[in-house]
Amino acid sequence: QKEVEQNSGPLSVPEGAIASLNCTYSDRGSQSFFWYRQYSGKSPELIMFIYSNGDKEDGRFTAQLNKASQYVSLLIRDSQPSDSATYLCAVNSGGSNYKLTFGKGTLLTVNP
Amino acid sequence: DTAVSQTPKYLVTQMGNDKSIKCEQNLGHDTMYWYKQDSKKFLKIMFSYNNKELIINETVPNRFSPKSPDKAHLNLHINSLELGDSAVYFCASSQGGKGLYEQYFGPGTRLTVT
Repeated sequence: QKEVEQNSGPLSVPEGAIASLNCTYSDRGSQSFFWYRQYSGKSPELIMFIYSNGDKEDGRFTAQLNKASQYVSLLIRDSQPSDSATYLCAVNSGGSNYKLTFGKGTLLTVNP
Repeated sequence: DTAVSQTPKYLVTQMGNDKSIKCEQNLGHDTMYWYKQDSKKFLKIMFSYNNKELIINETVPNRFSPKSPDKAHLNLHINSLELGDSAVYFCASSQGGKGLYEQYFGPGTRLTVT
């Protein structure tokens, strides 16, 4: 069973702090890694994707990938209350670039 | 302009009925998906079509039948609805090739079976 695991949280950080979200996956053949943000009652919104080992930065967001450790993380710098949402990690699986397996999500709360 | 749209947004129906959900994308993508998000918020893929060809068919009851009339549309028909079918159904699309497989989601259809 190919799985993607995340801490369900809730993860609570003060405004302006760095939020660190972690994800591990079991399929060593995975090549594509995605972070989605989902506000309550809304659809998942793609915020970052990473395909190569290392860091990828986009504004306040940094995705980190370590394929050897089968670990992907998302850092949110200068966290804002508007960042409060569930963050879903998704990984391609089963040898297919089209099939994404999602983690159950981490609920992030940023306190003003 | 909405990139991935779904209709209806809400669907309330009784057990045993048959219903359809429609999805359209105007992103020019060649691949579309149906996902189910249950009450515990777990998001799981059901089907995927690439250029109108079924490429992913997860373990889903055969009461669920996807149809893709063209690569911009993917519909989901559900026969003999059951209580356990209550969930939010999301359509998504992506453009494969060139190593680009990011999926973009529609607003969702909340299905409630009573």
